Amino acid sequence: NAGVTQTPKFRILKIGQSMTLQCTQDMNHNYMYWYRQDPGMGLKLIYYSVGAGITDKGEVPNGYNVSRSTTEDFPLRLELAAPSQTSVYFCASSKTGVGYTFGSGTRLTVV
Amino acid sequence: GENVEQHPSTLSVQEGDSAVIKCTYSDSASNYFPWYKQELGKRPQLIIDIRSNVGEKKDQRIAVTLNKTAKHFSLHITETQPEDSAVYFCAASRNKLSFGAGTTVTVRA
Repeated sequence: NAGVTQTPKFRILKIGQSMTLQCTQDMNHNYMYWYRQDPGMGLKLIYYSVGAGITDKGEVPNGYNVSRSTTEDFPLRLELAAPSQTSVYFCASSKTGVGYTFGSGTRLTVV
Repeated sequence: GENVEQHPSTLSVQEGDSAVIKCTYSDSASNYFPWYKQELGKRPQLIIDIRSNVGEKKDQRIAVTLNKTAKHFSLHITETQPEDSAVYFCAASRNKLSFGAGTTVTVRA
C-alpha cells in the first residue's frame, strides 16, 4: 500500500495562475480531506468528502474547488492564485472518519 | 463549527521530566479526540487517540485524559526524551477533525 500520495511536493505559482493539487489513496477509504497549514499554525480544513460524488466545505473553502469522481482521487483546484494561498497543503483519508492517514504534503508558494 | 484551543503554545522540559498539553473544545457532539506529532517538514503522525466513551488511555510513555463535562482533554508524556521534541496538535471531531494551533515541545538534554 502506498497510502496517501500527493503531487507535486513543491510548486511556485504566479499570482492569477491556476493549478490542481493531486491526492490519491489506495486504502479504499471513504473519507478524504484537504487541509492547509500556514507557518507556525494548526491545520485548517478546506474541503472534505464522505464518498464518491459527495463533497462539502470546511472552514476555509474560498478560492478552492474539489471533485470526487472516484473513491481513490480527491483533487484540489486553485483558481486565480493569490499570495494568501501560500501554504503547505495536506490531503488525508480515513475509513470511518477516525484514524486519519496524511499525505506528505504539497508546499505551495504564490509570488 | 468546532473550536479547539490548545495550551501552552511552547513547552520546554528537561529530559526525563513530564510534559502536559491541554486542549478545550466547544462542540459537545464531538466524540473523537486524537493527538498528532509533527516533526519539522514532515506530515502529522497520529500518536494516540481517545473516544468520548473513555476517560483515559495510555500507550507506554504517552497518556490522554478526557473530561467530557468540562470539554477538555490533555496529553501527558512521561520520561521525556530528546526525540519527543516536535510540534504536537490536538484535534476534536464529530465527523471531521478540527485542530488546535499546536504546542512546540523542546526536550533539553
